[in-house]
Amino acid sequence: DTEVTQTPKHLVMGMTNKKSLKCEQHMGHRAMYWYKQKAKKPPELMFVYSYEKLSINESVPSRFSPECPNSSLLNLHLHALQPEDSALYLCASGLRAGSINEQFFGPGTRLTVL
Amino acid sequence: DQQVKQNSPSLSVQEGRISILNCDYTNSMFDYFLWYKKYPAEGPTFLISISSIKDKNEDGRFTVFLNKSAKHLSLHIVPSQPGDSAVYFCAAKLANAGKSTFGDGTTLTVKP
Repeated sequence: DTEVTQTPKHLVMGMTNKKSLKCEQHMGHRAMYWYKQKAKKPPELMFVYSYEKLSINESVPSRFSPECPNSSLLNLHLHALQPEDSALYLCASGLRAGSINEQFFGPGTRLTVL
Repeated sequence: DQQVKQNSPSLSVQEGRISILNCDYTNSMFDYFLWYKKYPAEGPTFLISISSIKDKNEDGRFTVFLNKSAKHLSLHIVPSQPGDSAVYFCAAKLANAGKSTFGDGTTLTVKP
């Protein structure tokens, strides 16, 4: 299984809602990532988890709250988002956070904040 | 300060010809460079990589060249196929760093 899966594919939420994005991989990777991508822009790193511990937080606002319950799962909890947070949210995994190996990306969740 | 730049937002080539995508970087400490391809509504997929100790890496139709003195790398696709039409991102990594730095991407269109 060389796939990273993400649910849901699409999400529309109001500014007062609480929702969660989910990501799963079964490749035994110990690094997992959340990226945000706006149209015609590169993926922008948000968080890195290494061995289930948060190792990098790229100064992301607290309305985004990551969680890594185990080595296969990564969640992103959303609360009180703003319309400018609308974007494609990509999850990725890699062998180890500090390795030179490539990352495997999921298909993304298209988030719209109304 | 954008450390990885892809100065051509788009490139159009004829099927069967060579596609050359370019990438420049400013941080001479980068150890590893990767190219990803992204189709609409999908996540990026890894294509090919090169270590800073090499100047060329080849995988089938795809070859990446690295010129460290110029801080420049390029991806050559030959022959180009319509299925290669996608956005191509260049990325760079420091050894033992947890993150990759991505360029803005180049949209390649291969015309039949």
